Amino acid sequence: QSALTQPASVSGSPGQSITISCTGTSSDVGGYNYVSWYQQHPGKAPKLMIYDVSNRPSGVSNRFSGSKSGNTASLTISGLQAEDEADYYCSSYTSSSRVFGGGTKLTVL
Amino acid sequence: QVQLVESGGGLVKPGGSLRLSCAASGFTFSDYYMSWIRQAPGKGLEWVSYISSSSSYTNYADSVKGRFTISRDNAKNSLYLQMNSLRAEDTAVYYCARGFFFDDSSGYQYWGQGTLVTVSS
Repeated sequence: QSALTQPASVSGSPGQSITISCTGTSSDVGGYNYVSWYQQHPGKAPKLMIYDVSNRPSGVSNRFSGSKSGNTASLTISGLQAEDEADYYCSSYTSSSRVFGGGTKLTVL
Repeated sequence: QVQLVESGGGLVKPGGSLRLSCAASGFTFSDYYMSWIRQAPGKGLEWVSYISSSSSYTNYADSVKGRFTISRDNAKNSLYLQMNSLRAEDTAVYYCARGFFFDDSSGYQYWGQGTLVTVSS
């Protein structure tokens, strides 16, 4: 049950695009199309942004997109806005458990 | 609308026990897997446990296996986490969460506000 690997921090200017990676193994990210992404603002509960690798729940901006290649999933945020500044976590299904990434702090410059 | 409300957190001494509850509303509770996820202060999210809709299946993170027990009462629309032999490293905000679909494989769409558990002497 090792955590998925994410960069500790990323940053970008308003209007730019950024990508956050999430690396696992063939037992989690690479083995299933069940990667999800969460946004968490300080003191708040996480919010689901992407499910099943690339699907957006109703109400989530289409500036958020997800993809996967092999054992690495990615979250891309285009047209960065100030309110996107938050912590982002990836998660994956495994056959016996669920696993989260360590989290990435996004700073909008 | 879907609501998940946790309760039962507090300060407990190492080795002690605590029972968390999560009251669910706004959906057919008995149809869905439910999970507990925790977040230590200043740290990331950690999956703790899930339970299937009929309680037939449960699973736990290695870090809590043998010490925590997840359960549910579908008649009361409630989820529970019995935590025994608590350690300092169990200090965290504990969230209950519901999956996007009936199981939780696709991700967690609904989260409670969390309840803080502090393990300290």
